[in-house]
Amino acid sequence: GENVEQHPSTLSVQEGDSAVIKCTYSDSASNYFPWYKQELGKRPQLIIDIRSNVGEKKDQRIAVTLNKTAKHFSLHITETQPEDSAVYFCAASLGGGSQGNLIFGKGTKLSVKP
Amino acid sequence: NAGVTQTPKFQVLKTGQSMTLQCAQDMNHNSMYWYRQDPGMGLRLIYYSASEGTTDKGEVPNGYNVSRLNKREFSLRLESAAPSQTSVYFCASSIGGTGSYEQYFGPGTRLTVT
Repeated sequence: GENVEQHPSTLSVQEGDSAVIKCTYSDSASNYFPWYKQELGKRPQLIIDIRSNVGEKKDQRIAVTLNKTAKHFSLHITETQPEDSAVYFCAASLGGGSQGNLIFGKGTKLSVKP
Repeated sequence: NAGVTQTPKFQVLKTGQSMTLQCAQDMNHNSMYWYRQDPGMGLRLIYYSASEGTTDKGEVPNGYNVSRLNKREFSLRLESAAPSQTSVYFCASSIGGTGSYEQYFGPGTRLTVT
């Protein structure tokens, strides 16, 4: 089955710096790659996602890149702010319906220091 | 819309007791999921229901049962709770099929088994 590895497990940056979190997956058939942000004591919330027919997607300060050949995808946060501090999870799935099950990485705790 | 709701928010059980976690969504989604979240482990899928009337095992189904009561509701039952089931449980839903793959999470249930 699918396996998702996420690195680093913790990341500390200064406000205004960029942060990059990387994930690798094992199943070449996976075609949907979301990123979730989870603040302490809250539910995971989708911040950006990408499908396998796209190499990069941006939404303001957040971008995700996908390299299908190498089976890895990354989250890029630019101009970090203290409110970006949270745990970030990547995930992979085979798409919708009964294939829609997400396999999550173990998370990255991002700390943004003012 | 309330989105995905879960009850209870907190629960303490003694070893061997049983309980049912309730989940409901009002987004007319077809697919529903139960995850558990343990420190350093990310989110792991327990059971899912791709559509009303179907349920299937995820990564960690042992010790749990589920019921898809109708399109809105998906419950998780612990028949004989064990300390290893101490965790935070999240329910999620998605449109399913070939529509949007985004999963929306409920607020979670924090369960402690002593």
